[in-house]
Amino acid sequence: GEQVEQLPSILRVQEGSSASINCSYEDSASNYFPWYKQEPGENPKLIIDIRSNMERKQIQELIVLLDKKAKRFSLHITDTQPGDSAMYFCAASASNTNKVVFGTGTRLQVSP
Amino acid sequence: DMKVTQMPRYLIKRMGENVLLECGQDMSHETMYWYRQDPGLGLQLIYISYDVDSNSEGDIPKGYRVSRKKREHFSLILDSAKTNQTSVYFCASSGDEEVFFGKGTRLTVV
Repeated sequence: GEQVEQLPSILRVQEGSSASINCSYEDSASNYFPWYKQEPGENPKLIIDIRSNMERKQIQELIVLLDKKAKRFSLHITDTQPGDSAMYFCAASASNTNKVVFGTGTRLQVSP
Repeated sequence: DMKVTQMPRYLIKRMGENVLLECGQDMSHETMYWYRQDPGLGLQLIYISYDVDSNSEGDIPKGYRVSRKKREHFSLILDSAKTNQTSVYFCASSGDEEVFFGKGTRLTVV
């Protein structure tokens, strides 16, 4: 079955700098790649996603990149703020499987 | 309103007691999940259900079982709870793409 690797597990950045989280997947049939943000004490919530017919998507300070050949995708947060501090999960799914597989998570800490 | 509802939100049980965690969704999603999350760590998949009575083990099924008799309900059962099952348990459901999570159940086994 699909496996999703996510790195780094912990990421510490200064406010105003960029943060990048990288994920890789195994199943070439995967065609949907969402990112979830989990704030302390809360449940994970979808923040941005990208489908396999795109290479780049941006929503405000969030940029996701997808390299289908390398089976890698990444989340970039530009101009980080303390409010971006949270756990982030990448995920992958294929439309023929009805199953979303999550990465192991990245704890982002943005210091003022 | 798309929602995944978990009950109870907080639960304290003694070691050896049986535990029932309940989850409901109002989106008619076929796929539902149970995860556990230990402090500061990621989501560990316990079980996945593809529809009524169509359940599969996840990565850490030992010590747990599930029941799905209606599409909108998915239960997690711990027979004879152990202290190392103290954790936060998240239920989730998904349709074609987005996964919706419940607010979690914080289980403490003493």
